[in-house]
Order: sequence, then C-alpha cells, then structure tokens
Amino acid sequence: QSALTQPPSASGSHGQSVTISCTGTSSDVGGYNYVSWYQHHPGKAPKLMIYEVSKRPSGVPDRFSGSKSGNTASLTVSGLQAEDEAEYYCSSYAGSNKWVFGGGTKLTVL
Amino acid sequence: QVQLVQSGAEVKKPGASVKVSCKASGYTFNSYYLHWVRQAPGQGLEWMGIINPTGGSTNYAQKFQGRVTMTRDTSTSTVYMEVGSLRFEDTAVYYCARVSNRAFDFWGQGTMVTVSS
Repeated sequence: QSALTQPPSASGSHGQSVTISCTGTSSDVGGYNYVSWYQHHPGKAPKLMIYEVSKRPSGVPDRFSGSKSGNTASLTVSGLQAEDEAEYYCSSYAGSNKWVFGGGTKLTVL
Repeated sequence: QVQLVQSGAEVKKPGASVKVSCKASGYTFNSYYLHWVRQAPGQGLEWMGIINPTGGSTNYAQKFQGRVTMTRDTSTSTVYMEVGSLRFEDTAVYYCARVSNRAFDFWGQGTMVTVSS
C-alpha cells in the first residue's frame, strides 16, 4: 500500500490557525472513519492527537480538531502555540488488518 | 499506567538479524493488538505489522513479508519483532505501539537499530 500524501511543511503565526491535509484513496482514508493524527517531537515517541477522524483523546487540547471529506482528511490547529511546533503524521486503517501512514508535515510556528 | 518498554539500541552488520522486544504493563496484555512502526533517518513513520497477543496471529506490510517475524510471550507480556537479512536501509528507530479504536494510543520509547559494516 502507498503512503498517504501530506504537504512536507506548514506554518502559521502564534495564535493563528493552520490546517494540514492528508490524502489517500477509497481503500484507506475514504473507505473507513479510522483516520488518526500524531504529533512527533524529535527524540520522543509519537503522541496520538486525533482518532476516528475527529475524536480527541483525554488531555489533548481542543485547539486540535480533525475532519474528513472523501479521500482527504485534515487536521486543524487553532490558536497556535510554540509547543505545537513538531512533525505531524496522519494514519489510516486500510482494511484487512493493515494500516498506512502519511509522509509527515513539519509544522513551524512563526 | 500503560507502559511499553523496549529493549536497547543495537548495532548489526549487513545480513545479520536483530530482535527487538517490547514489554507491556499497566493493562490487560491480551486485550489489545500491538504494532511495530519504524522511522528511518530523515524519513516518516512506516507501518510494519501487527500481532494479536491472544493467539499470536500476525499481519505484515507487504514490504516486510518474509523478512520480519513478530512473536509474543504472554507469560511476560512481551512482544518481539525480528528483522532478518539486515540492509543498510533498515537503519531506523523501531517503535512498538498499542492500538485502540484503530489508532496507536500508546507507544514504546523506540529502539535505534543501526546497520553498519
């Protein structure tokens, strides 16, 4: 299976909003409501930020939100904070007990 | 609290094998599938495969079929991931991760595997 497509980079000023896209196919993103998003700081383990397209785990700020339309999912970070600067990855269930990740997006807070 | 603790860094020669462990605690081991994900230097996350702790059944990404073996030991709540016929491009940080609601909710700290001659 091919990796999901994410923009390599995104940026926004402190306090603004930014949206990161994640494009797959009808066999993964479009076929299941099992898209998740991860925040990854260098040298640390990835952290789950969104699951099942738009649900937030306990402890994740409500500044993080997710959505999906067709084969494209999106992560929106509102009210950007310095600590939001990280790499973000999307992932989707792809059926038959297989998963796929996106290539990652480096988020810079200006 | 849920914890996944992985074994330490490894340095291997091309053609050798490496086996990484991941010990789970803080939850019922048999209740959640575990996965392995790797990140090569400068690259993104790559899903490698899944193991069902209850019966030991596995499913691997096509890229790794035939070269990766995932096993588990229910007596110690530990899963293992072995990569054979190592190549330079297998140099990466390898993570184990628990899945819930088809999302990776807890991750190990990562194990650096370096393939070098």
